[in-house]
Amino acid sequence: DVKVTQSSRYLVKRTGEKVFLECVQDMDHENMFWYRQDPGLGLRLIYFSYDVKMKEKGDIPEGYSVSREKKERFSLILESASTNQTSMYLCASRLRAGVAYEQYFGPGTRLTVT
Amino acid sequence: RKEVEQDPGPFNVPEGATVAFNCTYSNSASQSFFWYRQDCRKEPKLLMSVYSSGNEDGRFTAQLNRASQYISLLIRDSKLSDSATYLCVVKTDSWGKLQFGAGTQVVVTP
Repeated sequence: DVKVTQSSRYLVKRTGEKVFLECVQDMDHENMFWYRQDPGLGLRLIYFSYDVKMKEKGDIPEGYSVSREKKERFSLILESASTNQTSMYLCASRLRAGVAYEQYFGPGTRLTVT
Repeated sequence: RKEVEQDPGPFNVPEGATVAFNCTYSNSASQSFFWYRQDCRKEPKLLMSVYSSGNEDGRFTAQLNRASQYISLLIRDSKLSDSATYLCVVKTDSWGKLQFGAGTQVVVTP
């Protein structure tokens, strides 16, 4: 079974803090994704990575950055947290585009910025 | 306009009944379609892919209508465990970027 884990289930941070969200997958997947999920808006893609050290902007990258130094780990960074970044953050991984498109999700991190 | 639109529900369904709901998508070049299921406070998980000719997986039937740009999901003989939010997902490019709908909530009652 594919397992995707995220570093925290719940996180509370103050405005202006730098926030790190980490995601690890154990199935040697090439592609990894960060989404945020908000009521009524569905999942929106923040960034994705199709391989180690590669990253691409998704639909809403502003205020975020990412890092992928190892294949199994994909980190999302909020450089200076703001209240409008309060959300559920979901990490996902996928074997490889063109081979399999199913994405496997982690349990999510509910981030509150006060 | 959202790329993928769903009726948020909730659809309240008696146990054993049938429920069906649709999802519309705006990009006519969309290539593949999926239904994901998300239980309360859990992560989304793939329920089934949607094929052009329609397909069944047990009590679940998915249909695609490319001309009208919608997909549907029908659940027969609803179980209490079917209570969840069902996410309509569309693959919009060759790389496999997915667009997610906001979900349709289904509540199955005894």
